[in-house]
Amino acid sequence: AQKITQTQPGMFVQEKEAVTLDCTYDTSDQSYGLFWYKQPSSGEMIFLIYQGSYDEQNATEGRYSLNFQKARKSANLVISASQLGDSAMYFCAMREASYGNNRLAFGKGNQVVVIP
Amino acid sequence: ETGVTQSPTHLIKTRGQQVTLRCSSQSGHNTVSWYQQALGQGPQFIFQYYREEENGRGNFPPRFSGLQFPNYSSELNVNALELDDSALYLCASSLFSRLAGSNEQFFGPGTRLTVL
Repeated sequence: AQKITQTQPGMFVQEKEAVTLDCTYDTSDQSYGLFWYKQPSSGEMIFLIYQGSYDEQNATEGRYSLNFQKARKSANLVISASQLGDSAMYFCAMREASYGNNRLAFGKGNQVVVIP
Repeated sequence: ETGVTQSPTHLIKTRGQQVTLRCSSQSGHNTVSWYQQALGQGPQFIFQYYREEENGRGNFPPRFSGLQFPNYSSELNVNALELDDSALYLCASSLFSRLAGSNEQFFGPGTRLTVL
């Protein structure tokens, strides 16, 4: 079964507008972490934001915020005030404490294109 | 602070050959993870090395093997290459702790392997 589900088709976003990227996850662990990474065409994975399963407040990092709904098992990324440089693939990932290591399970990604 | 580096950046091999990919982890990190990213997919966890020992493995056959050296750099070896091994191979370094936390992984730029 898929641990991370990202099902949105590619998205076109107007510059300066906000965009929400959906992510749902599946785990039986009580302790887990959720991550969002950005992957531009160059291929490198760039860390954006982290949410721990026990964190009561939604994580924020600059223009990135994570809408964490634990009961629904969703961890949506919100990018505010989109910039042209935000055009990239975005991946949601999960680390489960029961594995005893840092392995991440990734979703298939969301393509975002920011248009001027 | 030097980031994660990988070599080579691109590689072309033929079916049946063997390949070695290299990764230098970020200073101060003790853990290296390897991921395979096929075109249009999210990265898939291959394995992780912690203090020179394998510490977790994904669903990959034994012809995928690795090493971690005392300086925490790492190699990924793939024997008997198959066409489906064509992918971007990403290395990620982190400071592993069994306590809950982000254990953020820093990714290298990847090695793009093409098997003909």
